[in-house]
Amino acid sequence: IAGITQAPTSQILAAGRRMTLRCTQDMRHNAMYWYRQDLGLGLRLIHYSNTAGTTGKGEVPDGYSVSRANTDDFPLTLASAVPSQTSVYFCASSEGLGDHYEQYFGPGTRLTVT
Amino acid sequence: AQSVTQLGSHVSVSEGALVLLRCNYSSSVPPYLFWYVQYPNQGLQLLLKYTSAATLVKGINGFEAEFKKSETSFHLTKPSAHMSDAAEYFCAVSDTGGFKTIFGAGTRLFVKA
Repeated sequence: IAGITQAPTSQILAAGRRMTLRCTQDMRHNAMYWYRQDLGLGLRLIHYSNTAGTTGKGEVPDGYSVSRANTDDFPLTLASAVPSQTSVYFCASSEGLGDHYEQYFGPGTRLTVT
Repeated sequence: AQSVTQLGSHVSVSEGALVLLRCNYSSSVPPYLFWYVQYPNQGLQLLLKYTSAATLVKGINGFEAEFKKSETSFHLTKPSAHMSDAAEYFCAVSDTGGFKTIFGAGTRLFVKA
């Protein structure tokens, strides 16, 4: 069982370029999340999805977009990358949204925007 | 509104010593509380969670945490630290019926030989 996979593992991206971070889960979880992790700030929620076809904004959504065409995939797109988007990005999933459900995390994507 | 405060961004203990990582939360409704651990270059994984069944929660790798409503705390402890416990630990809170889980800033645990 793979759990959650993310791709790429790391990426160096020029400012202004478009980038899609991929996330796939094989646990048939309804809810999925994208977080960014920055030193001293913990994890901040970017976007989330309650179920296929629905998405919502988290704490720091500006500059990012997501889609949820099916249960398994939840890609995160940076339309025009900026240096402040340099971070480690984690995708996560859970059986349900928030509440008592524990989240399962992918290994992360380290993104550097130059 | 929910919030989580982890006291101490870094904690250093000797191998075999008690581990105590502090977490205080605020929530207007009964909370669900979690501790996650992150090893270097990995994603977070659940250590334990409180869901109101019992105030003392036991998790993996010998860790436990006690929910104290009067102190709005959920501190993580382990009686005897092991070198393999060196990692970053995150406390998190979510509300009954809420859609968001709020994570603390994290505490990095160092274990000295």
